[in-house]
Order: sequence, then C-alpha cells, then structure tokens
Amino acid sequence: DQQVKQNSPSLSVQEGRISILNCDYTNSMFDYFLWYKKYPAEGPTFLISISSIKDKNEDGRFTVFLNKSAKHLSLHIVPSQPGDSAVYFCAASDGSGNTGKLIFGQGTTLQVKP
Amino acid sequence: GAVVSQHPSRVICKSGTSVKIECRSLDFQATTMFWYRQFPKQSLMLMATSNEGSKATYEQGVEKDKFLINHASLTLSTLTVTSAHPEDSSFYICSARGLAGGRWETQYFGPGTRLLVL
Repeated sequence: DQQVKQNSPSLSVQEGRISILNCDYTNSMFDYFLWYKKYPAEGPTFLISISSIKDKNEDGRFTVFLNKSAKHLSLHIVPSQPGDSAVYFCAASDGSGNTGKLIFGQGTTLQVKP
Repeated sequence: GAVVSQHPSRVICKSGTSVKIECRSLDFQATTMFWYRQFPKQSLMLMATSNEGSKATYEQGVEKDKFLINHASLTLSTLTVTSAHPEDSSFYICSARGLAGGRWETQYFGPGTRLLVL
C-alpha cells in the first residue's frame, strides 16, 4: 500500500521555466513533509520541508505547497536550471511517536533542458 | 552542517563473504540512524532503524540475522551483510537524524554504498 505517491515518473522542462513536481499521500496522520534531490549513485540531499500547519514554504528557487484537504503537495522550482536535473523524492513523516520514519514516494526524474 | 559519510563507497565481494558498511555523522550527534536499500529505478526501501545503544528495529521482511546493525556511538552505525549472495547486490544508503538543527524528523543521507556480490 503506497502511502506516498509520485504519479509522474518523469518531467522535462526547458531551462528558465518553472518545474512543478507533485506528490499525493493517503495518511492524514502525516504532519511533516520533505523533498529530497538525488543524483545517480549518490545519497539523497535534503531540499526543503513543510509542516502540516503551513501551506507554503519558500527557500530561494524552491517553494513547497501543501494542500491538506486534497492530501497533495508540490515542489516548484523557478527558474529551472540544468543542474536541477535529478530524481526528486517526496517523503512524509509517519507521525507515529518517536520513530521518525520517513515514507518515500517513488521519485520523479526531472530533466531540465538547456 | 549535517554531513553524513559512508564507507566504502563501492565494494565487490564473493558470494558467501560478509561485508561491513560504516555510516558516520561528521558534524552532529545522530541519535537515530536509518538504513535503506535502493534497487534500480525504485524508491528507497527502509530496512531498519537504529537508536544509539539499543537494538535495531527491522522492517517487515528484512532478515535481522542477515543484515546486522550496530549503533555503538552517537556518530557511527554499521551494517554488516552476512554471507552475501548475488541477490543482496544493491545500493545501500544510511541516513542520520539528531541534533543537526531544524526539525527532528529531517534525515540527512550518506552518499551510499554500491554492493556487488559475485
């Protein structure tokens, strides 16, 4: 049962344009969400996060939006750069006490074309 | 800040041998470390959670006698793949969570270890 879903396996965007990566979740107990970026043969790098008490968090070119009623979050990258080409994972904290486990989506491969 | 290292980055071994992978938090104390494996073009699969000084908690379907985890200090956790077989070939990634600032749920990942069992 996939609790965190990234339904688009890949996305291609022109340099300078906006990249929008989407993520849906099913567990209403999730209270903290994170986006990670991963290059091949490397570990994921933390990008940005958002608490369920907020609906938007911005950090430079990266903005994460959270729609709790729709159980949907998205990552906006603007302007997109070729160096942003990577696999992006969204993750949710399962909120079960102190385990702090993260549930990851399947990932979306972003390609930013020069 | 929040740097996590893994060693080795790549290892090739013969079937039946054991392989140890180290995960270190370099600039913060990791109260909890997590071990994941990733198959090609798939998501990260959590194998186990380890808290410093206590036994690891394994996810369903992960053999604890096969994948030995030790978290003896606040900066070091090790994963030993015992009697490795070709099906254990994978990309193993650790993450650490602790006093690195920010929300406590944020995990910081190591660079990963590519294991190839011949």
